[in-house]
Amino acid sequence: GAGVSQSPRYKVAKRGQDVALRCDPISGHVSLFWYQQALGQGPEFLTYFQNEAQLDKSGLPSDRFFAERPEGSVSTLKIQRTQQEDSAVYLCASSRSRVDINQPQHFGDGTRLSIL
Amino acid sequence: SQQGEEDPQALSIQEGENATMNCSYKTSINNLQWYRQNSGRGLVHLILIRSNEREKHSGRLRVTLDTSKKSSSLLITASRAADTASYFCATRGGFKTIFGAGTRLFVKA
Repeated sequence: GAGVSQSPRYKVAKRGQDVALRCDPISGHVSLFWYQQALGQGPEFLTYFQNEAQLDKSGLPSDRFFAERPEGSVSTLKIQRTQQEDSAVYLCASSRSRVDINQPQHFGDGTRLSIL
Repeated sequence: SQQGEEDPQALSIQEGENATMNCSYKTSINNLQWYRQNSGRGLVHLILIRSNEREKHSGRLRVTLDTSKKSSSLLITASRAADTASYFCATRGGFKTIFGAGTRLFVKA
């Protein structure tokens, strides 16, 4: 498809389990962003990749959160030892150029994560 | 936390009416963007206004920017039921994109 694809769409995990969320950006897009969105709130920035380089990870809530984009395309957000407060929608977005070029971001439909 | 604040938090109008949403932000910007989010979906980019622009139009959308007041407004004219969604303003700080909490718009048919 032509858009940003995220999988799975829904994930239910027990507290303490590790989860991995996948993002397939639009082909050729340089920039990739991860966001966390709580119910009724706007997206909160987690991390930014320019190609394979993770240039900003200041929004990751704790060292249990880890993101990678090893070949500059697909990205994975991993959460270790999940806690109930990790329950949220995780959104991925990509844009054609470097972030300072101010291109629109194209969003996937997100992964809704529920921690029991 | 989030930089932008949208006002109102929620808005309910009749089809055909205009809807105005406001956004305030805290730091200096190069541009400001507006996005729409339908329930259960990702965000969709609507319009970008640069810091040297005061007003911009796109179809039924009109965006204004007042950098002296650090505020922006989004006007949707002749609203339709399909405009029912959440609307967010976004600014950039370094590598981060910072979204407001959003305005939830409900357009009644």
